[in-house]
Amino acid sequence: EAEVAQSPRYKITEKSQAVAFWCDPISGHATLYWYRQILGQGPELLVQFQDESVVDDSQLPKDRFSAERLKGVDSTLKIQPAELGDSAMYLCASSLRTSGNTIYFGEGSWLTVV
Amino acid sequence: AQTVTQSQPEMSVQEAETVTLSCTYDTSESDYYLFWYKQPPSRQMILVIRQEAYKQQNATENRFSVNFQKAAKSFSLKISDSQLGDAAMYFCAFVPYFGNEKLTFGTGTRLTIIP
Repeated sequence: EAEVAQSPRYKITEKSQAVAFWCDPISGHATLYWYRQILGQGPELLVQFQDESVVDDSQLPKDRFSAERLKGVDSTLKIQPAELGDSAMYLCASSLRTSGNTIYFGEGSWLTVV
Repeated sequence: AQTVTQSQPEMSVQEAETVTLSCTYDTSESDYYLFWYKQPPSRQMILVIRQEAYKQQNATENRFSVNFQKAAKSFSLKISDSQLGDAAMYFCAFVPYFGNEKLTFGTGTRLTIIP
């Protein structure tokens, strides 16, 4: 069964350093999402792509976070500089274009900022 | 804006028994989808069940079923014959039928299965 691939699974970084996460959605899925999940809470959407275009980045802290999906396939989420409060799991997800389609999640990338 | 509320931070159930997890939501939309996702410890979020708001019939998937009350904006999940593998965080989620498909999650319910 096709899956959403994410790397790295775990990352420890020092405050003020840069960190990047990569996601490869299920083949054919036009919509890609990055969510942040703080321990004990539900995921919150950071950014949503439709193909290579951003359709929602209203919750993305743009002073330090950036996301791209240059060819409309895989995507990278970058944090620079990392802050202690960025410690969380970063989930990538994808879905087909059609409204109401199920959203499939990757295993997530755990970030610890020390 | 939509909100999803899960009022039970933790639940426990004896193995083989039945448990119901609660979820309420608030929206002005008339067409939408509701989901229950399961997130085992250190594992990925997987879909348990989905419900289309325009369908009156409650969705069922094997041991999992929902009680969808549209007027009350309630969407509870019933797990029958609970198994040890059901232990996980369960998240209720909402997405409008139209728009940019932003999925809104509740805060989750941690389900423990007692052997």
